[in-house]
Amino acid sequence: DGGITQSPKYLFRKEGQNVTLSCEQNLNHDAMYWYRQDPGQGLRLIYCSQIVNDFQKGDIAEGYSVSREKKESFPLTVTSAQKNPTAFYLCASSEGTSTGQFFGPGTRLTVL
Amino acid sequence: GESVGLHLPTLSVQEGDNSIINCAYSNSASDYFIWYKQESGKGPQFIIDIRSNMDKRQGQRVTVLLNKTVKHLSLQIAATQPGDSAVYFCAENWLGANSKLTFGKGITLSVRP
Repeated sequence: DGGITQSPKYLFRKEGQNVTLSCEQNLNHDAMYWYRQDPGQGLRLIYCSQIVNDFQKGDIAEGYSVSREKKESFPLTVTSAQKNPTAFYLCASSEGTSTGQFFGPGTRLTVL
Repeated sequence: GESVGLHLPTLSVQEGDNSIINCAYSNSASDYFIWYKQESGKGPQFIIDIRSNMDKRQGQRVTVLLNKTVKHLSLQIAATQPGDSAVYFCAENWLGANSKLTFGKGITLSVRP
């Protein structure tokens, strides 16, 4: 099956710890994205990557980091510098930046 | 700044009726629009898209209408079913350097049996 997978589905972290969220796609899409979704708010872009080994900050990149070493993988690290990390994190991919984005199932991160 | 928004936060419809969900956008340069459906605890699901050179596009039980004159986008769902209950949100994009998708906040569709 073609698609986007995210793991884990639920993640718990203690304050002060870094944590990495996984995102993999086998759609052969060039572009990948990370969004954060909070209750009652729209999706906010954290980082995007248009090609391998290249990525750009989104609207709320502070406290997050990414890498794009392979076309199919775009992991997101939530660092201890992120002041309010508890949220639902969504990964997406698209053929290009002017085409529709397809989303993964999401990872719910809770900081204890 | 430019924004995408929805007129109503919630919509309740009777099963079997048609649903109409509206979205206003303010960026006149936007040329590509998408409707997504998001069920509780899941990622958004692509429903249908439309480019600015069209004013109507139909899918299975869904129709998207685009009115560029008033910058208005709507999603029509025919014969609404309980499985249609979800949050729906629109997104806009425009060609050009650093183009990105901008999402609305979403509207909850509740289907009454």
